[in-house]
Amino acid sequence: DQQVKQNSPSLSVQEGRISILNCDYTNSMFDYFLWYKKYPAEGPTFLISISSIKDKNEDGRFTVFLNKSAKHLSLHIVPSQPGDSAVYFCAASAWGAQKLVFGQGTRLTINP
Amino acid sequence: GAGVSQSPSNKVTEKGKDVELRCDPISGHTALYWYRQSLGQGLEFLIYFQGNSAPDKSGLPSDRFSAERTGGSVSTLTIQRTQQEDSAVYLCAQGGAANNEQFFGPGTRLTVL
Repeated sequence: DQQVKQNSPSLSVQEGRISILNCDYTNSMFDYFLWYKKYPAEGPTFLISISSIKDKNEDGRFTVFLNKSAKHLSLHIVPSQPGDSAVYFCAASAWGAQKLVFGQGTRLTINP
Repeated sequence: GAGVSQSPSNKVTEKGKDVELRCDPISGHTALYWYRQSLGQGLEFLIYFQGNSAPDKSGLPSDRFSAERTGGSVSTLTIQRTQQEDSAVYLCAQGGAANNEQFFGPGTRLTVL
């Protein structure tokens, strides 16, 4: 039972353009969502998060959008840079639960 | 610099052997998590420690897996009688100040032959 799904295993974007990574979830108890970025041979690093009381959170080039009715969130990176090439994981947690439920990840490649 | 560290970085073992993976957390954070990432999969929750409370073991896949946290700091994940399907990257994470933000170590890549 995959509660958090990232349906695109990979995405290739031109440098300077917008990267949009998508994530869907099924558990309506999830109330906090996070994006992590992972380089090879390193642990995931926290990127940005959003609470279910918001529909948008922005931090520099990164913006996360949450559509609760559709149980969908997306991460926008603009402009995309070569250093953004990594695997991006979407994660969610339910109120009162400490563990994170992760998606399968999307490998983003930024082409010069 | 300071951060969650894990050892060993790589471990190759034979099927049926026991392995022990170590996590050295940042001091001052009470929440500690273990996850694993199998090839092509997302991170799978294994176990969670919070202070002196009983750990949440709900993610452990079988009774061959166990973990302990000594003195509220270092944690070890033990896998007994390893199987080939145990091959994965095992990640330790520590809770941050913000809601459910977690700081991950670099992981231990376990290969069971």
